[in-house]
Amino acid sequence: GENVEQHPSTLSVQEGDSAVIKCTYSDSASNYFPWYKQELGKRPQLIIDIRSNVGEKKDQRIAVTLNKTAKHFSLHITETQPEDSAVYFCAASLDVYSSASKIIFGSGTRLSIRP
Amino acid sequence: NAGVTQTPKFQVLKTGQSMTLQCAQDMNHNSMYWYRQDPGMGLRLIYYSASEGTTDKGEVPNGYNVSRLNKREFSLRLESAAPSQTSVYFCASSEFPGGTEAFFGQGTRLTVV
Repeated sequence: GENVEQHPSTLSVQEGDSAVIKCTYSDSASNYFPWYKQELGKRPQLIIDIRSNVGEKKDQRIAVTLNKTAKHFSLHITETQPEDSAVYFCAASLDVYSSASKIIFGSGTRLSIRP
Repeated sequence: NAGVTQTPKFQVLKTGQSMTLQCAQDMNHNSMYWYRQDPGMGLRLIYYSASEGTTDKGEVPNGYNVSRLNKREFSLRLESAAPSQTSVYFCASSEFPGGTEAFFGQGTRLTVV
């Protein structure tokens, strides 16, 4: 089955700097890669996703890149702000038309923004 | 519009006791999931239901059972609780199995003593 590895487990950056979180996946059939943010004591929420037919996607200060050949994808946060402090999870799944699909998550990255 | 609702929010069990965690969604989603969250382990899939009438094992199914009662409801049962099942449990739903945004419930913090 699918296995998603995520690095680093913790990350501390100065406010205003950039943060990068990396994930690798094992199942070459996976083609949907979402990222979730979980603030302290809250539920995970989707912040951005990418499908295999796209190499990069941006939404304001966040971007995700995908390298299908190497089976890895990354989350980039620029101009970090205090409200970016949270745990971030990457995930992988098969496409929406597969009844065998399920969402497998990485182990999470705790991002701290230093003032 | 409540989204995904889990009950209870907190629970303390003694080893060997049983309980059922309830989950209901009002978004007419086809797929539902149960995850457990442990420090440093991320969100691990226990069971999932791709559509009404189907259930499948996830990454860590041992010690759990599930029931997809109808399209709205997906319950998780612990038959004989063990301390290793102390965790935060999240239910989630999505329009289709994989490939679409998963919406999470607020979580159930379970402690087994």
